[in-house]
Amino acid sequence: GESVGLHLPTLSVQEGDNSIINCAYSNSASDYFIWYKQESGKGPQFIIDIRSNMDKRQGQRVTVLLNKTVKHLSLQIAATQPGDSAVYFCAENAPTGTASKLTFGTGTRLQVTL
Amino acid sequence: DAGITQSPRHKVTETGTPVTLRCHQTENHRYMYWYRQDPGHGLRLIHYSYGVKDTDKGEVSDGYSVSRSKTEDFLLTLESATSSQTSVYFCAIRGQGGRDTQYFGPGTRLTVL
Repeated sequence: GESVGLHLPTLSVQEGDNSIINCAYSNSASDYFIWYKQESGKGPQFIIDIRSNMDKRQGQRVTVLLNKTVKHLSLQIAATQPGDSAVYFCAENAPTGTASKLTFGTGTRLQVTL
Repeated sequence: DAGITQSPRHKVTETGTPVTLRCHQTENHRYMYWYRQDPGHGLRLIHYSYGVKDTDKGEVSDGYSVSRSKTEDFLLTLESATSSQTSVYFCAIRGQGGRDTQYFGPGTRLTVL
């Protein structure tokens, strides 16, 4: 399997509970944020995004909250399922022309226990 | 996976040999990116392309070169592989419609002995 993530912080959650994964971003000029999910041996998968003119966005079972004052982003997963077990990381985009250069966090491993 | 394939998926090579990784996309995206992923680091940008024959460096470009001779293919070359280039390499495309979302391929695990 993947060697990436050997030293990641881990969040252990019981199946059916809600999960909250946090991310601190670095650039106050960032205007767009994305959460990705990465399962072992696979590429990062887009979950949800949010622009800086919003503070909350909801998807299916997921909610992203943005607090620009403290440069903090969180991902909430409702009714966590075993299939949610993965590494989750955030990405921020600061305006740098048209190339969309994202800066990625190192991630949090979510373990769902039965 | 946004119509992205990467080849090879796994490769073991020796120090000093040249290596080329291929990223292929089927949806005519203009922007393509190469990242590497290592323990303790977030994804780090190696090079990116904003059109055919248009490329630029990312934050960790030393030891890597790229080429894009047609829209669908973006090649990453390690001219002389070193052990520090052992990593998992991901290709990404930028989504359409003015959003900055990037979508990733399945990755290539490269081991340099």
